[in-house]
Amino acid sequence: DAKTTQPTSMDCAEGRAANLPCNHSTISGNEYVYWYRQIHSQGPQYIIHGLKNNETNEMASLIITEDRKSSTLILPHATLRDTAVYYCIVRGSSGTYKYIFGTGTRLKVLA
Amino acid sequence: EAQVTQNPRYLITVTGKKLTVTCSQNMNHEYMSWYRQDPGLGLRQIYYSMNVEVTDKGDVPEGYKVSRKEKRNFPLILESPSPNQTSLYFCASSFGDSMNTEAFFGQGTRLTVV
Repeated sequence: DAKTTQPTSMDCAEGRAANLPCNHSTISGNEYVYWYRQIHSQGPQYIIHGLKNNETNEMASLIITEDRKSSTLILPHATLRDTAVYYCIVRGSSGTYKYIFGTGTRLKVLA
Repeated sequence: EAQVTQNPRYLITVTGKKLTVTCSQNMNHEYMSWYRQDPGLGLRQIYYSMNVEVTDKGDVPEGYKVSRKEKRNFPLILESPSPNQTSLYFCASSFGDSMNTEAFFGQGTRLTVV
């Protein structure tokens, strides 16, 4: 499975959009990009995933570049409850269907 | 409510005393797995199961056992726990063997081995 690179930490003002980048330059054609978040030490929570096209759900939007080498998770109106560690994961060809979690981006939403 | 339930949430035990952490899901998922989370190392997969009676090792299986006798349950067994198994453990489940399906994680079990 492809490796991902994310900034260690980011701050965002409450009510503003939070844009979290992720690089996955070695992604292959059948690998999906997933985003999860972990609040404190709770279980990771699914946010969104995509293959090629941009995706949107009630939580966030996922923008994947045309070459698929990077993506951005957008939380449109960040709240204090969005403070968490956000993990970008490329999932695909290992055969075990596991999620390989990196160290993620620690997002702090500021009042 | 769709959920993955782990028990216990917190456990302190002594070296060598066998223990089992239970995991149950109510979504009829085929795929289940166990992860451990340690500072600086992220989440690492211990074991996974593609379906009933089908299990396989993940990245860090040493010192652990699992079983999958029923679809909904996937217990993690530590036959002789050691202090280096002190960690935060998560169970996860998802549908089938597709990459296009999200996983649901339990709330975690914080284990301390003294």
